[in-house]
Formats: sequence, structure tokens, C-alpha cells
Amino acid sequence: GAVVSQHPSWVICKSGTSVKIECRSLDFQATTMFWYRQFPKQSLMLMATSNEGSKATYEQGVEKDKFLINHASLTLSTLTVTSAHPEDSSFYICSAREDWRSEDTQYFGPGTRLTVL
Amino acid sequence: SQQGEEDPQALSIQEGENATMNCSYKTSINNLQWYRQNSGRGLVHLILIRSNEREKHSGRLRVTLDTSKKSSSLLITASRAADTASYFCATALIQGAQKLVFGQGTRLTINP
Repeated sequence: GAVVSQHPSWVICKSGTSVKIECRSLDFQATTMFWYRQFPKQSLMLMATSNEGSKATYEQGVEKDKFLINHASLTLSTLTVTSAHPEDSSFYICSAREDWRSEDTQYFGPGTRLTVL
Repeated sequence: SQQGEEDPQALSIQEGENATMNCSYKTSINNLQWYRQNSGRGLVHLILIRSNEREKHSGRLRVTLDTSKKSSSLLITASRAADTASYFCATALIQGAQKLVFGQGTRLTINP
């Protein structure tokens, strides 16, 4: 149980295009999901907290108009990188919390590697 | 911003030896968690220790927490080649709104 998937696993796009990444909780409901980015050999940096049915909460320094988050159902959150540039190239990872758990354990997706040319 | 620092940044040991990684943090926490990440993959939850706990075991893993020193350690006993990965501590802040703040990570290499 507690499996999170991400799609696509990797994507290459041209500068200026938009890319959508999906995060799904496969066997549990997740009111709250999280989006992280990770540069090579670095730690995870939280970008935003995605809340089902409401606006996402962005961390300081993260442009909400550039990184659009939609959490339309209890099992799906999407991250859209708009007008992508080479500096947006990174590893994007989502995670989800099981609604019924009181603890903060998060279950992570396998990540999406974005390369912007 | 990063909450924690991990030490060492990289560790290389022989198979069968024990590996110890340390994590320090800055603010009060609700709990502390350890995760493993294989290269280019997502994170796998290993163990959670609450702020009122001092030690916890799970298989070959032993985690300690010292809230007075704001530090934690992860011990992997009888290491195996498959333990090669990056290990991250993550803190759930008391006022963190369910967020986790990750440390810098330790890259562990187990040599056969």
C-alpha cells in the first residue's frame, strides 16, 4: 500500500514551453500532497504544499505563476512548469500523506527528470 | 530553507561494517524521520521517531534522538551492497503545517 506514482518519469522540452507533471496516490486518499525539486547531489527543497480543493501554499521564493499546482481530486495533483527555461531543469518529486494518518510520514513518487533545452 | 545538517556528507565502508550517520537540526520538532534515496529515484521512508522517544529500532536500523542537542543518528548494522544510497533526515516542525524539512543528506557507499 501507500504507492505514489508520477508521470512522466522524464521529459525533455524546448525553452519557452510548458510541461505538466502528474502525481497520483494509487491506493489511498491524499488531501495534502507536496512538490519538491532536487538538483544533482543536493537535498530536496519543498516548493509547495498542494491542498485538494483549495489553492496551493508556496514556499518563499517559489513563483506561483511559474509553477502552477492543481489538486483537483483526492488522488491527483499536477505541477505545470510554465514557460520553462534551462534553469528549471531539475528532478521534481512529489509526495503524499495518507489522510487517515496523524503522523507526518510522506510517501514519495519516483520523481520526474525535467530537461529544458 | 534547510533545517538540518547531516554528517558526514559522504561515507564509504566495507560490506558487513556498521554505518553511522548524524543529523542536526535547529528548531523544535514534532518528529524526525529518515529516508533513503537510490540514485535518480524517489525517497523511501525508513523510520520515524517522535520527539518524546529516544531510540527506535527497525530491522538493521537503529535511530536515536537527542532533543536537548537537537540531533539524531541513524545506524545501519551489518551493511550490504544494497544499502548504497543517499540517506536524508527530515524534521516535522511543531508549527510546520505538516511539512517536512530535509537535511543535506549523506551519500553512503558500501564496498563489496
